[in-house]
Amino acid sequence: AQRVTQPEKLLSVFKGAPVELKCNYSYSGSPELFWYVQYSRQRLQLLLRHISRESIKGFTADLNKGETSFHLKKPFAQEEDSAMYYCALLTGFQKLVFGTGTRLLVSP
Amino acid sequence: GAGVSQSPSNKVTEKGKDVELRCDPISGHTALYWYRQSLGQGLEFLIYFQGNSAPDKSGLPSDRFSAERTGGSVSTLTIQRTQQEDSAVYLCASSPPGVSEQFFGPGTRLTVL
Repeated sequence: AQRVTQPEKLLSVFKGAPVELKCNYSYSGSPELFWYVQYSRQRLQLLLRHISRESIKGFTADLNKGETSFHLKKPFAQEEDSAMYYCALLTGFQKLVFGTGTRLLVSP
Repeated sequence: GAGVSQSPSNKVTEKGKDVELRCDPISGHTALYWYRQSLGQGLEFLIYFQGNSAPDKSGLPSDRFSAERTGGSVSTLTIQRTQQEDSAVYLCASSPPGVSEQFFGPGTRLTVL
């Protein structure tokens, strides 16, 4: 089965604290994983993908095939990071399977 | 350049009526996708177009839902005899050839009374 699990609906941290948004996947093929972000009143947009191994806005994510995880991390959260974060798995026919999302709230 | 656009941005309809939702992808993007975003359900895949053909319709929830794409560009998602459970935000995305990133539109919020 193709599935993406984000166990936390809400993650609340203070500014400057480290952040880790968890994502686990289930997929029989070679996974291609993404993190998408949706800021308030904005459209869904790509944050990063595991293939490019980029760091965007200070966020990184490492694919761990052994643990079937793709957790999103940032060492020091900023208030502007408050948003809804979705982990997504690309499957056959280019279909994205999304997790249910984690709302990150960064307080001053 | 212009991103993916969708219309209308909001649609309120009565149960039993038909609705049409429109998506204009980014110029040159050959792939087009429809997703539905419901409270408590997250984002679910509906249908995927490559050019004008739809190789994957597996996500359409019932035969009341249909979609077409003409000229390799604009797509319409039609919901017949709408039900209250159809209330959701319908998102369209597109991607260029050979690229896996999907670019999303702002969505159409459908409310069925």
